[in-house]
Amino acid sequence: AQSVAQPEDQVNVAEGNPLTVKCTYSVSGNPYLFWYVQYPNRGLQFLLKYITGDNLVKGSYGFEAEFNKSQTSFHLKKPSALVSDSALYFCASDFGNEKLTFGTGTRLTIIP
Amino acid sequence: NAGVTQTPKFRVLKTGQSMTLLCAQDMNHEYMYWYRQDPGMGLRLIHYSVGEGTTAKGEVPDGYNVSRLKKQNFLLGLESAAPSQTSVYFCATLPGLAGSTDTQYFGPGTRLTVL
Repeated sequence: AQSVAQPEDQVNVAEGNPLTVKCTYSVSGNPYLFWYVQYPNRGLQFLLKYITGDNLVKGSYGFEAEFNKSQTSFHLKKPSALVSDSALYFCASDFGNEKLTFGTGTRLTIIP
Repeated sequence: NAGVTQTPKFRVLKTGQSMTLLCAQDMNHEYMYWYRQDPGMGLRLIHYSVGEGTTAKGEVPDGYNVSRLKKQNFLLGLESAAPSQTSVYFCATLPGLAGSTDTQYFGPGTRLTVL
């Protein structure tokens, strides 16, 4: 079955340090991959997506993600974390049917 | 341009009561979706619609019904609410144009508690 996994429920990073939020997928073929962010009591906001082409995708708020087909991963990264980056992050995939499959989410906490 | 709106924002029901959640969009998008969000489980698709007058089941459709009588509105109904339906419900839309690689746009959510 096609699936998306976020292996870490919680990630803590000191302000100013680089951050990584991990995502792996399980599917045959080439899925579309997305990252969304959710702030408290809000809906999901789109950060970035990979469709095809350059494996490094740049998105909103200084975030980027690297698509790695051999490792079936799409990790979210940022060179220098801000306290305002603290939120719940979701990786998702569209396996070609215009329906998103979500990971279980990773709570990112940036420590001042 | 309000985007995607959801009504109500909060609701408390007793077991067995019924209610309808409304999702409205002013972006002329073809596709609309209802998700539920539960701790540790991410978002799970309940039902979706690929156009006016169409609906289809998602991953967790049991206990819910939907209707898309108008393109701009997607209704989610609970006929007999159960405590297991306590959740945060999100609506989303997608342009649905052929060949599009657009993203889904999410509403602000409805927090439902069933006692």
